[in-house]
Amino acid sequence: DTEVTQTPKHLVMGMTNKKSLKCEQHMGHRAMYWYKQKAKKPPELMFVYSYEKLSINESVPSRFSPECPNSSLLNLHLHALQPEDSALYLCASSQGIFAGVFDTQYFGPGTRLTVL
Amino acid sequence: GDSVTQMEGPVTLSEEAFLTINCTYTATGYPSLFWYVQYPGEGLQLLLKATKADDKGSNKGFEATYRKETTSFHLEKGSVQVSDSAVYFCALSDRTGANSKLTFGKGITLSVRP
Repeated sequence: DTEVTQTPKHLVMGMTNKKSLKCEQHMGHRAMYWYKQKAKKPPELMFVYSYEKLSINESVPSRFSPECPNSSLLNLHLHALQPEDSALYLCASSQGIFAGVFDTQYFGPGTRLTVL
Repeated sequence: GDSVTQMEGPVTLSEEAFLTINCTYTATGYPSLFWYVQYPGEGLQLLLKATKADDKGSNKGFEATYRKETTSFHLEKGSVQVSDSAVYFCALSDRTGANSKLTFGKGITLSVRP
């Protein structure tokens, strides 16, 4: 089973709202990722968690706040977003550092976010 | 830094045609190579991968061979179907520090007509 689940599937929010995206995997993976994907573009890495610790933050604005409550869950808290933040937000997971060259990221179906 | 170059698209083929999508890479280390596919309205799915030179990844009739001498990982399928219509991303993973970051190509849209 290589399933990563994401909720909600779609989200519409105003610029003053606070919302959260959720990602879950039960593959025993120890690395989890958030990506942002604009239409007709490849995904752009936002954050990486390794063993529940934030290891990479790709200079993402503070209106995006990640959280990894345990090894299976990854959240992305959203606050005061801008219309240009509208995109598909993808979560991924992988075995992590000890997998070496065999480390492979598996993606969820994404949350389609629209900021009004 | 690492980079992945994919051929320009979009590509339109008739059903049962032969498919080749070119992918070349630049990396300082010894990357793993991947093809991901994104169907309309969905997330990315791993299509196939290769972790060392001369490895051949294959899945669902698609194949790609890791060619170190030409730094390439071209995707091929002998007979495409309408259901193969999607966006295809070539990617590499070169371990930097504690994480294996993915570097993606721009992606190419494949449309297969009946």
